[in-house]
Amino acid sequence: DGGITQSPKYLFRKEGQNVTLSCEQNLNHDAMYWYRQDPGQGLRLIYYSQIVNDFQKGDIAEGYSVSREKKESFPLTVTSAQKNPTAFYLCASSWDGRDGYTFGSGTRLTVV
Amino acid sequence: KQEVTQIPAALSVPEGENLVLNCSFTDSAIYNLQWFRQDPGKGLTSLLLIQSSQREQTSGRLNASLDKSSGRSTLYIAASQPGDSATYLCAVRLPYGGSQGNLIFGKGTKLSVKP
Repeated sequence: DGGITQSPKYLFRKEGQNVTLSCEQNLNHDAMYWYRQDPGQGLRLIYYSQIVNDFQKGDIAEGYSVSREKKESFPLTVTSAQKNPTAFYLCASSWDGRDGYTFGSGTRLTVV
Repeated sequence: KQEVTQIPAALSVPEGENLVLNCSFTDSAIYNLQWFRQDPGKGLTSLLLIQSSQREQTSGRLNASLDKSSGRSTLYIAASQPGDSATYLCAVRLPYGGSQGNLIFGKGTKLSVKP
């Protein structure tokens, strides 16, 4: 079945550590997105990519980095510069402007 | 700037009731509107996608309508069940991008259906 796979489901980060969240899709979608979800704040866009080897910053890109070397994959790195990384992270993909979005099951990141 | 509002923020109903969730948006220049469901600690599941040229979409007990000119959409749930308990999110897709991206979300309506 086609879909988006996010891993791991739970991730723990120590202070000063970089961690990478994985997002893989087999829907042949061109565009991929990373969102952060905090209680009471809704979904906020971190980064998005509309094509391989190209990506754009969203509203809250500071402290995060991404790469898009393959159409299927859009990993998100949470760097030590992100001061409040504890949140639920959602990856999504879409086909074109008139298509709907498909979301993964999310990764919950906690700072320990 | 497009803003999406969902009212009410929370709703509790007895099992079997028909209910309506509301979504409003400020700019009618949209490609489509999508309703999602989110269970606690889970990702978003797409329920219905309405293109800007359509008036409604139906899937099982769910019916979503779109009135683009007035900037409103409703999600109608018939004969509600405890398994419908979740947060329902409305999102509009814009024909342009930006730092918010081209999919703008409301903050959701948390639905609780009591047995």
